[in-house]
Amino acid sequence: AQSVTQLGSHVSVSEGALVLLRCNYSSSVPPYLFWYVQYPNQGLQLLLKYTSAATLVKGINGFEAEFKKSETSFHLTKPSAHMSDAAEYFCAVRAAGGGADGLTFGKGTHLIIQP
Amino acid sequence: KAGVTQTPRYLIKTRGQQVTLSCSPISGHRSVSWYQQTPGQGLQFLFEYFSETQRNKGNFPGRFSGRQFSNSRSEMNVSTLELGDSALYLCASSFKPGQLADTQYFGPGTRLTVL
Repeated sequence: AQSVTQLGSHVSVSEGALVLLRCNYSSSVPPYLFWYVQYPNQGLQLLLKYTSAATLVKGINGFEAEFKKSETSFHLTKPSAHMSDAAEYFCAVRAAGGGADGLTFGKGTHLIIQP
Repeated sequence: KAGVTQTPRYLIKTRGQQVTLSCSPISGHRSVSWYQQTPGQGLQFLFEYFSETQRNKGNFPGRFSGRQFSNSRSEMNVSTLELGDSALYLCASSFKPGQLADTQYFGPGTRLTVL
């Protein structure tokens, strides 16, 4: 079975600073990895996904993530935070043989942007 | 193209009642998945439907059930509601199941409160 760990339930950065949200996964087979964002009272929106085509994945709104197999990580970054980035971010994994076959999500990281 | 729609957006029920939630997938998408989101347990996979058949099911009691219609619209039902069923229920659609790299597109969710 696969699992995801997001380090830090809350992350606070200043506007214009680097955003780094951490995600580590556990999977016995090559995984597919996703980052979703959730704004208050809304559903989830896909930021980016890793499908083994390239280890550095670029997504929407200036976000990117790098798949590092040796570290079993898929951290999300953005060079310069904007006030509109304040939201809840979820890392998710999907892998063959995982049983239920649905997305397995981390607990989420609440990103706070300080003016 | 219209996104995933869910109705109703908000629902208040009392313990012991049952509830039915509805989801209309993106046009052309034939797979519908349901997730439960709570502050304590986070996002958890409920089940997935394709061609009117349940393909996968998460670790939830039999009180949680669903179905899919020939037009791909889906409903989920929760019988004998418990306080712990209070949650945001999210529906997600994708083009077809079994494609683990496929993006799941989420609706805005139905907020269920059980009193």
